[in-house]
Amino acid sequence: EDQVTQSPEALRLQEGESSSLNCSYTVSGLRGLFWYRQDPGKGPEFLFTLYSAGEEKEKERLKATLTKKESFLHITAPKPEDSATYLCAPGNQGGKLIFGQGTELSVKP
Amino acid sequence: ETGVTQTPRHLVMGMTNKKSLKCEQHLGHNAMYWYKQSAKKPLELMFVYSLEERVENNSVPSRFSPECPNSSHLFLHLHTLQPEDSALYLCASSPFGGGAMDTQYFGPGTRLTVL
Repeated sequence: EDQVTQSPEALRLQEGESSSLNCSYTVSGLRGLFWYRQDPGKGPEFLFTLYSAGEEKEKERLKATLTKKESFLHITAPKPEDSATYLCAPGNQGGKLIFGQGTELSVKP
Repeated sequence: ETGVTQTPRHLVMGMTNKKSLKCEQHLGHNAMYWYKQSAKKPLELMFVYSLEERVENNSVPSRFSPECPNSSHLFLHLHTLQPEDSALYLCASSPFGGGAMDTQYFGPGTRLTVL
């Protein structure tokens, strides 16, 4: 059975305090791993897709990495505007996204 | 309008009402999706349409009835809902669908409350 676990469930950081979010997955025939950002009361916003172990992608203060069993979202020197829930979603062999429950990030000034 | 739009943004309905949610995508995509997002739970895929044909129905109760009249529009018809159906309903679209693993783009969602 396809499973995705994100940790921690919630993370509170001070502005400028770097950290990482984890996404552990067991998915049949991984066909890409997607990261989304979701602000309260809004739909998820696409951030990255990673396709193979060892791949990395960066966007501003965010960097996503992928191994065979995990993906990490590294946040460097975060700002308050980075506060949001970050969703990880591996795609399985059937072309479905399997979403994790998300990590709620709060960055205080 | 750009991207994926959803109306209404908020909906309150009684258990005996009938209402519809509307989604429109302005991206020229071929696939459209309905998801349910309940508090503190992962997004649950409900329905998938590819080129206006339903290709996925994830054991969703019959009180939810989707309709896709063309590749740009998707509806979710609601009737005799239960309080546990209260959630954020998200629409998404992707370029290809049909089993292709392409990026899905989401609308802002409809916050549904069933009294």
